[in-house]
Amino acid sequence: GAGVSQSPRYKVAKRGQDVALRCDPISGHVSLFWYQQALGQGPEFLTYFQNEAQLDKSGLPSDRFFAERPEGSVSTLKIQRTQQEDSAVYLCASSSRGTGVVNEQFFGPGTRLTVL
Amino acid sequence: GDSVTQMEGPVTLSEEAFLTINCTYTATGYPSLFWYVQYPGEGLQLLLKATKADDKGSNKGFEATYRKETTSFHLEKGSVQVSDSAVYFCALGPKAAGNKLTFGGGTRVLVKP
Repeated sequence: GAGVSQSPRYKVAKRGQDVALRCDPISGHVSLFWYQQALGQGPEFLTYFQNEAQLDKSGLPSDRFFAERPEGSVSTLKIQRTQQEDSAVYLCASSSRGTGVVNEQFFGPGTRLTVL
Repeated sequence: GDSVTQMEGPVTLSEEAFLTINCTYTATGYPSLFWYVQYPGEGLQLLLKATKADDKGSNKGFEATYRKETTSFHLEKGSVQVSDSAVYFCALGPKAAGNKLTFGGGTRVLVKP
């Protein structure tokens, strides 16, 4: 009965390093979202999966950001050649239904990324 | 595009005071509206929602009414407790594909005993 989990909870990277952030959604949840939350601001949408299909990646800020969900469950957000402006909390959320239905999104605790 | 504007904090109140957090939105179509809460050290949790005009969402003593004519979804609670200290986020979600949420900037509320 676990909720959405994310790992690592904290990540410090040197500028230019690649990082990978993991999200384990609630079992059976079809939809998975990634959001970026800068300090003192609200979350901003990055990308959306329905099962293994990435249906919307309009929020990814650059081609350094890449997300995947190959088996329709666990998802990984990868950031290549990290920059200081990538420092933020990355939130993952899942919901039980697909498109066209308004449904509650359950959020994980987030991964706080600090790029030095 | 869609956007949400909410009052800036911090809002500092005494216990049992009345709380209002203003939220207005801009959206195409008829979105669903949400309030999320983030308690210290915890993840975002859905507090309440409303899916159509004039709907009232309520939970834990909090209420918000979907006002289409004023494009607003203000959050209210009649008597706050210290445990209500948190950051509150207003958000909207279209009923179309993806249901991605658009959030406001958040309002920090501090309730003092």
